[in-house]
Amino acid sequence: QKEVEQNSGPLSVPEGAIASLNCTYSDRGSQSFFWYRQYSGKSPELIMFIYSNGDKEDGRFTAQLNKASQYVSLLIRDSQPSDSATYLCAVPNFGNEKLTFGTGTRLTIIP
Amino acid sequence: EPEVTQTPSHQVTQMGQEVILRCVPISNHLYFYWYRQILGQKVEFLVSFYNNEISEKSEIFDDQFSVERPDGSNFTLKIRSTKLEDSAMYFCASSEAVWDTQYFGPGTRLTVL
Repeated sequence: QKEVEQNSGPLSVPEGAIASLNCTYSDRGSQSFFWYRQYSGKSPELIMFIYSNGDKEDGRFTAQLNKASQYVSLLIRDSQPSDSATYLCAVPNFGNEKLTFGTGTRLTIIP
Repeated sequence: EPEVTQTPSHQVTQMGQEVILRCVPISNHLYFYWYRQILGQKVEFLVSFYNNEISEKSEIFDDQFSVERPDGSNFTLKIRSTKLEDSAMYFCASSEAVWDTQYFGPGTRLTVL
């Protein structure tokens, strides 16, 4: 059974600061990793994905992957109140047919 | 921008009744999925569908569940005899290819009374 673990939070970050969200996964064979954002009562919305070790930047978001440590993180720079949401880490099975989600980290940006 | 759509947004039903949840995936996508999220819990995979057949299903997807692509655009999830524990948000997702990003619809909130 593949597991994806996240700290459920809540994580409170002042507006303008960096929010750091973490995720660990159990399957060493996992090749790709997705971060979704979910507002309360809404569906998951893709933030970004990462396949290679290292950092991947997209605007204010940076995903970091360390396959040796089975660890993926998401950094949000210059946090805005609109970033307040639950952030879901998702890891596909081989072939990407089934996404296994973590429980999500609830992030609150404090104005 | 193309998006996955789902109807209805909210469905209320009595225990034991059949419900059909509908989804229209993004038009050029070939892979279709159903997930569910019980209130306060994680998003859980139910089933994946490709080339008019189920390609993978979870242990949750038992005999009371079925999926169908009745025409070129719709993708449906049928729950034959609903139980109280089926109350959840049901999300449809689609992807262009098996290695590609899955895009989620807005969800159907199912309430079983």
